[in-house]
Amino acid sequence: DQQVKQNSPSLSVQEGRISILNCDYTNSMFDYFLWYKKYPAEGPTFLISISSIKDKNEDGRFTVFLNKSAKHLSLHIVPSQPGDSAVYFCAASVVAAGNKLTFGGGTRVLVKP
Amino acid sequence: NAGVMQNPRHLVRRRGQEARLRCSPMKGHSHVYWYRQLPEEGLKFMVYLQKENIIDESGMPKERFSAEFPKEGPSILRIQQVVRGDSAAYFCASSTGTGLYEQYFGPGTRLTVT
Repeated sequence: DQQVKQNSPSLSVQEGRISILNCDYTNSMFDYFLWYKKYPAEGPTFLISISSIKDKNEDGRFTVFLNKSAKHLSLHIVPSQPGDSAVYFCAASVVAAGNKLTFGGGTRVLVKP
Repeated sequence: NAGVMQNPRHLVRRRGQEARLRCSPMKGHSHVYWYRQLPEEGLKFMVYLQKENIIDESGMPKERFSAEFPKEGPSILRIQQVVRGDSAAYFCASSTGTGLYEQYFGPGTRLTVT
């Protein structure tokens, strides 16, 4: 039972353009959502988060949008840079239940120079 | 301020041996989470600990796996009598508390069972 899904396993984008990563969830109890970036042989690196009381959060080149009614969130990266090439995971948690993270399967992003 | 530290980074064990993975959380963090990433899969929650307490072990296999976070020293994930299916990357994360706090991950321990 996959509660968090990233339906696009890979994404290729030109340097300078926008990268849009999508994530769907099924558990309506989730109230905190996070995006992580991961390079091979390294641990995930926190990028940006959003709580369920908001619909948008922005940090530099990264913006996360949350659509609670659709149980959907997305990460926008603009402009994309070659160093952004990595696997991106979305994760969700129920804060009152201790914040254990449920991860999606990841989207591999390749930014072409 | 050092990040989350894990050791060893790579661990090779023969079937039937014990694997012991260590995690030192970030300074000031008292909440530790362990996750496992099997080949070609996403990360899966295993266990959540605070100092001297296991808070949630709902993701831990019922047998052979145990975890602790003593008053002094690192958190330990122990796997007894390892099998080939235990080969994976094991990540530890820490946070300052529950609530709207992000978790910071260590570099992981890659366990290979031969």
